[in-house]
Amino acid sequence: EDQVTQSPEALRLQEGESSSLNCSYTVSGLRGLFWYRQDPGKGPEFLFTLYSAGEEKEKERLKATLTKKESFLHITAPKPEDSATYLCAVQAMEYGNKLVFGAGTILRVKS
Amino acid sequence: DVKVTQSSRYLVKRTGEKVFLECVQDMDHENMFWYRQDPGLGLRLIYFSYDVKMKEKGDIPEGYSVSREKKERFSLILESASTNQTSMYLCASSLPTIYQPQHFGDGTRLSIL
Repeated sequence: EDQVTQSPEALRLQEGESSSLNCSYTVSGLRGLFWYRQDPGKGPEFLFTLYSAGEEKEKERLKATLTKKESFLHITAPKPEDSATYLCAVQAMEYGNKLVFGAGTILRVKS
Repeated sequence: DVKVTQSSRYLVKRTGEKVFLECVQDMDHENMFWYRQDPGLGLRLIYFSYDVKMKEKGDIPEGYSVSREKKERFSLILESASTNQTSMYLCASSLPTIYQPQHFGDGTRLSIL
């Protein structure tokens, strides 16, 4: 059973067309949820950490939110340079310091 | 900024060879991790280390070993490379306390022929 599920698998947007990516998790004892951006041929780049339900973090056109069972990454008025794979990962009491990653959402923004 | 450096971006080896992948971090992080990333499977943890000379198995340790002789360096070893070990290998490091994000290198794309 997958502990971390991301949807959709792929998303195509026009420049300026806002949307959201979803990360749902089934772990218990969540310690933190992490969002990463990964460009082709590169390693994941850390974006945000969310610790508790109701928390929100923002960076430029990105806003991450957290509920008890899922997180959303909202992308407002995206630009082509926002195209990347977005990964979420959870850290939970049962895993210690390890992260469990979702499979990612591939985002393509066309001009 | 945290800098995690992996020694090779691309590597081609033959089946049966012993392969070494090197990772160095410059932020004095206690924790270091090795993952492999495959299409549709996401990142899977191979091994990790919380301190020098310490290692723990991750989710897919079979066919791999690691070495951590210095705090800043974490090596992944493929004892006898096989074609199913063709993958992208990612190294990461983090501070030891919980809630700390892991910071990744740019990966080594390894092909086993």
